Amino acid sequence: GAVVSQHPSWVICKSGTSVKIECRSLDFQATTMFWYRQFPKQSLMLMATSNEGSKATYEQGVEKDKFLINHASLTLSTLTVTSAHPEDSSFYICSAYSRDGNFNYGYTFGSGTRLTVV
Amino acid sequence: AQSVTQLGSHVSVSEGALVLLRCNYSSSVPPYLFWYVQYPNQGLQLLLKYTSAATLVKGINGFEAEFKKSETSFHLTKPSAHMSDAAEYFCAVSASGGYNKLIFGAGTRLAVHP
Repeated sequence: GAVVSQHPSWVICKSGTSVKIECRSLDFQATTMFWYRQFPKQSLMLMATSNEGSKATYEQGVEKDKFLINHASLTLSTLTVTSAHPEDSSFYICSAYSRDGNFNYGYTFGSGTRLTVV
Repeated sequence: AQSVTQLGSHVSVSEGALVLLRCNYSSSVPPYLFWYVQYPNQGLQLLLKYTSAATLVKGINGFEAEFKKSETSFHLTKPSAHMSDAAEYFCAVSASGGYNKLIFGAGTRLAVHP
């Protein structure tokens, strides 16, 4: 089945630094990648939607200059948390949308990245 | 617009008992509905999905869900709970036709006790 590889699985960084999270779709092309944020014991909140080769669409309240999303190819999307602060500590998950020739479509999730800003 | 309401943030059952996790949706267009399971510090695994075919959908690990348009519900059931079913479960909705974002419910934590 479709697999999305997300790295790193966890990262600790100092306040003020930037962190890049990568999501790669293996053996399929992800025309659209969704980025979610999940706080402890809470649901997934959609941050942004990115389509290959175009600018990401951010949900209301998400700072686009803080959470930079790049979807340069059909198999790679990145989320960069810039000038991270402790309140950015969270679990970030990507989800790739794909559709086959029979118009069966699905959303494949990465394994998540636990970000801790100290 | 779409939204999902999961009734019951915590559900506790005995091993071998019926599992019932409730999900109600709201959608201005025909919806696609999903159930996912999440184990601690992991991503989401698809249990099953409804995409306007059969209203009774069978998924992995013995789970199934029934789409009831009149009740705007998509409840998840399993006849007999296993200890390994203890996890967080999320119901999600997207607009039919694909290529749309998934909107998640708040989640239900399932505990299974001996």
